[in-house]
Amino acid sequence: HVQLRESGPGLVKPSETLSLTCNISDGSISVYSWHWLRQPPGKGLEWIGYVYSTGKRDYNPSLRSRVIISVDSLNHHFSLHLTSVTAADTAVYYCARKTVAFDTWGQGTLVTVSS
Amino acid sequence: QSVLTQPPSVSGAPGQRVTISCTGSSSNIGAGADVHWYQQLPGTAPKLLIYVENNRPSGVPDRFSGSKSGTSASLAITGLQAEDEADYYCQSYDFRVNGAVVFGGGTRLTVL
Repeated sequence: HVQLRESGPGLVKPSETLSLTCNISDGSISVYSWHWLRQPPGKGLEWIGYVYSTGKRDYNPSLRSRVIISVDSLNHHFSLHLTSVTAADTAVYYCARKTVAFDTWGQGTLVTVSS
Repeated sequence: QSVLTQPPSVSGAPGQRVTISCTGSSSNIGAGADVHWYQQLPGTAPKLLIYVENNRPSGVPDRFSGSKSGTSASLAITGLQAEDEADYYCQSYDFRVNGAVVFGGGTRLTVL
C-alpha cells in the first residue's frame, strides 16, 4: 500500500519560508488529492490545503495569503511553502492522501520556528 | 476555536461503552457534509477510524461505530480496551468557506 514521507528542515527562522516535501511511494499521484495538515504541540489538527496532479488547489482561508502547495507528478511528490513564518507556525506537519477521507498519512515532521 | 465542537475528554472502564460527540452547524454537518473520525495514539500520526458517518476501513474493529443526526455526529466505542486510549478527532467540510476541511478540537479518551 502507498506510503508517504515528509522531508525538510526542522528549524526555520521567523519571517522566513517553511518548505517541506512529501514523497509518495507509488504512482497514485494522478488519482487522488494530496493534502498538508499540521498540529501545534499539544493542540488539535489544522488543515492547510490540497493539490491535485492537474494543479488544481485550494487552501485554508486563514493561511491562504501565505501558502503555496505544488505538485511534481513526474517525481511523485508534492510540496508545501509557507511564507513569513512566526512561532505560531511551530507544529508537526503531516502530508496525507484523501480518497473519501484522509486514509493515508505521513509520519509527520516537527518544524520549529525560532531564531 | 474549532468549527466542530468535541468534549475535551471522556473516560470509561475496560469493557464499557463510551461515546464522543461532534457538534457542528447548518453550514457543515447540518448541511449534509460527510463526517469522518480519526484516532491518534500518543506520538503517532492520526489514523482513519470511521469514514462517511459509519464506515470502517479494513482492520478497524466493529467495536467502533459512527452516527449522525441533524448538526451533530457521534463516535461510539463498545467493549473498551486499554489500547483505545488515544485522542479522537471528527472531521467534516464547511460550505460557508467553499467546502474547506474542518476538524473538531479533539477528545482525549482515558481508559480507567
